[in-house]
Amino acid sequence: QKEVEQDPGPLSVPEGAIVSLNCTYSNSAFQYFMWYRQYSRKGPELLMYTYSSGNKEDGRFTAQVDKSSKYISLFIRDSQPSDSATYLCAMSVQGAQKLVFGQGTRLTINP
Amino acid sequence: NAGVTQTPKFRILKIGQSMTLQCAQDMNHNYMYWYRQDPGMGLKLIYYSVGAGITDKGEVPNGYNVSRSTTEDFPLRLELAAPSQTSVYFCASSGGANTGELFFGEGSRLTVL
Repeated sequence: QKEVEQDPGPLSVPEGAIVSLNCTYSNSAFQYFMWYRQYSRKGPELLMYTYSSGNKEDGRFTAQVDKSSKYISLFIRDSQPSDSATYLCAMSVQGAQKLVFGQGTRLTINP
Repeated sequence: NAGVTQTPKFRILKIGQSMTLQCAQDMNHNYMYWYRQDPGMGLKLIYYSVGAGITDKGEVPNGYNVSRSTTEDFPLRLELAAPSQTSVYFCASSGGANTGELFFGEGSRLTVL
């Protein structure tokens, strides 16, 4: 069993739709949960960061962590074509050290 | 604002050749990392460093070596290249704060034939 599981997609939705991206994990010691966005032929960049359980909102993006279910989600509201990218979940026991990444979900927003 | 700079961006190697991927950061970060990314496989940690002179293995270190003689530079050495090392390699750095934020370079695409 992989430590972090993420459906690789691809996922294709129309512009304006609500997008839900998810990851499950097996290591109960994970405390830091991140979502990175990666555009084609670029390095990943941090999109959202959450410590422990709960929700965090930043504009059109909402990150949720449910530690009891070992499940994290990223919601994108009013999706735009510029949101088309690969989204990688990542988590760690301690901050940015030794992040464990999911496989990444390739998302396309169609105009 | 250079951030993390990787060279070369592309390279083709023959089986058995050796090469070094260069990585430099100008943010005075103590922590630096090398990841490889294979299609549909996410990012796997190869080696990391918590400061000059200190390095440690990640998840997939076999076939690679690193050194960290300065805060700014963290080169990755491939010895005796094999087709299994065909991948995109990313260098990253962080300030060590508990924010989960890594700053990535743009990647180095390596093909071993």
